Amino acid sequence: DGGITQSPKYLFRKEGQNVTLSCEQNLNHDAMYWYRQDPGQGLRLIYYSQIVNDFQKGDIAEGYSVSREKKESFPLTVTSAQKNPTAFYLCASSIQAPGLAFYNEQFFGPGTRLTVL
Amino acid sequence: DAKTTQPTSMDCAEGRAANLPCNHSTISGNEYVYWYRQIHSQGPQYIIHGLKNNETNEMASLIITEDRKSSTLILPHATLRDTAVYYCIVRASDNTDKLIFGTGTRLQVFP
Repeated sequence: DGGITQSPKYLFRKEGQNVTLSCEQNLNHDAMYWYRQDPGQGLRLIYYSQIVNDFQKGDIAEGYSVSREKKESFPLTVTSAQKNPTAFYLCASSIQAPGLAFYNEQFFGPGTRLTVL
Repeated sequence: DAKTTQPTSMDCAEGRAANLPCNHSTISGNEYVYWYRQIHSQGPQYIIHGLKNNETNEMASLIITEDRKSSTLILPHATLRDTAVYYCIVRASDNTDKLIFGTGTRLQVFP
């Protein structure tokens, strides 16, 4: 089955430690995204990538880093510089086809809930 | 992207139609209306989109007013599993920027 997987579902880390969240897709999508969601809030974009080996900062990139070495994978590292890392993290992907309406159809993974103790 | 306004929350009895409104009075001619929903602790799920004609798929119907300043997402026979936050987003198809998810409408379906 095609889709997006994120692992792990729940993650606990001590304050000051870096942690990497996994995101893999087998939909052959060019674009991938990382969002953060806090309780009762909407999604905020952290980073996005429209093509392999390229990515752009979103609205709240500080304290995070990403890489896009393969089309299928877009891991997110939450560094110790992120002041309030406890949140629900969502990865998404979409076809990179500007001009087509379905371009804006993003497929989301199940999310990783990160708790920093 | 045009700004959208949605009610914070709505209730609906199981088996009845759920009608979720969205105002987008500043929508441009080339902007589509998209609807997503997010069930608690899961990733958002695409539901439907439209430009000016009404649209229907296996999940829902989308009614867009003639002036395109508002739309309504209709779940014809709501079930308990439809309890979720519903997001209305307007956006041009050639916009390569990010999707903006607001706070949406929290729909509670009760037995």
